[in-house]
Amino acid sequence: GQSLEQPSEVTAVEGAIVQINCTYQTSGFYGLSWYQQHDGGAPTFLSYNALDGLEETGRFSSFLSRSDSYGYLLLQELQMKDSASYFCARSRSNYQLIWGAGTKLIIKP
Amino acid sequence: DSGVTQTPKHLITATGQRVTLRCSPRSGDLSVYWYQQSLDQGLQFLIQYYNGEERAKGNILERFSAQQFPDLHSELNLSSLELGDSALYFCASGPGLAGRNEQFFGPGTRLTVL
Repeated sequence: GQSLEQPSEVTAVEGAIVQINCTYQTSGFYGLSWYQQHDGGAPTFLSYNALDGLEETGRFSSFLSRSDSYGYLLLQELQMKDSASYFCARSRSNYQLIWGAGTKLIIKP
Repeated sequence: DSGVTQTPKHLITATGQRVTLRCSPRSGDLSVYWYQQSLDQGLQFLIQYYNGEERAKGNILERFSAQQFPDLHSELNLSSLELGDSALYFCASGPGLAGRNEQFFGPGTRLTVL
């Protein structure tokens, strides 16, 4: 199987912390990427995890557990501008990226 | 600015017609990817090229075709267009390596089929 599972929508409050989960099939797994896409815009790369553990980039962190076939994106100190769709995508050994369906993050004041 | 350019930005055409979308990758990137995104939907991978050769195929219809030229720019051809082909078409480029495989997306071409 190739699919990734992530929630379709998550709601959070400005200033809070939110976690977006992603589970994946392990066939030919190389690593897990996260992309952000604002409405009407192009996806932009956020992070990549190949090894277990947490990668931190400013307010955003990404975590991977290969044994659990699971990862998450953690967004801290949420700002209204973080309202967007977030996609997880896994790298396969054949150079292809397999994409999740995306999680729409709604932030309330 | 990702460094990936796509033309045109908008395209309005009629059913049954044929259109060509163009993409210029970032300088140094050998791989080009095409994606389709319908309204409020995820990214549907269509096809990938690496240094002029087709490398991977996704859910690309037989009415659609693509190629990558020696200068590494790519074109996506959509023919016998149907209403359901209306979507945002993204091109992305990257080094095309296994592993990190970071992709840089162009601004997209919004296709409207009437």
